[in-house]
Amino acid sequence: DTEVTQTPKHLVMGMTNKKSLKCEQHMGHRAMYWYKQKAKKPPELMFVYSYEKLSINESVPSRFSPECPNSSLLNLHLHALQPEDSALYLCASSQEASRSYEQYFGPGTRLTVT
Amino acid sequence: AQSVAQPEDQVNVAEGNPLTVKCTYSVSGNPYLFWYVQYPNRGLQFLLKYITGDNLVKGSYGFEAEFNKSQTSFHLKKPSALVSDSALYFCAVRDMRGSTLTFGKGTMLLVSP
Repeated sequence: DTEVTQTPKHLVMGMTNKKSLKCEQHMGHRAMYWYKQKAKKPPELMFVYSYEKLSINESVPSRFSPECPNSSLLNLHLHALQPEDSALYLCASSQEASRSYEQYFGPGTRLTVT
Repeated sequence: AQSVAQPEDQVNVAEGNPLTVKCTYSVSGNPYLFWYVQYPNRGLQFLLKYITGDNLVKGSYGFEAEFNKSQTSFHLKKPSALVSDSALYFCAVRDMRGSTLTFGKGTMLLVSP
């Protein structure tokens, strides 16, 4: 089963709120990713976790805080976001964080910051 | 640094006709190349990849791609397009560090009945 699930599907939050996005995979993958995608644009990498450790942070503002509680779960904690942070947030996983493995994407969380 | 170019913002094709979505790349060393498709309000779906070996790669939903090292291209093809193939297609390459996918800007494929 090549499925990555994400909750919630939609999220509306004010600039002072704290919320979290959740991602789960049960494929035994050891690499997990967060991407941000604006409409009709390619996904932009935010974070990479490899074996539950943060391996890449693409200079993401500190108002985004990732967490990997275990090998199947990935969270993205949100705090004091700006309207320009409104986007589709995609989670992905791959067998390992190496060049040959394809990434499998979840359906995304559509975030609107008001 | 690696890069991917998808020269066409949009490709229009009639149902039943062959389709090609173009992709060229620039990367140090051997390229690992991928195609993904995104339907409206959905995540990306993996279609196929080239790692090594046969230059013609077959993937999901009848798609295939041809790797051409001399032209640094990895064009996506399908012999007979379906209306349901209409979507946004992304070509991607992985970099030397192995963890980062670099995506092209995407090509919208519109298949008319």
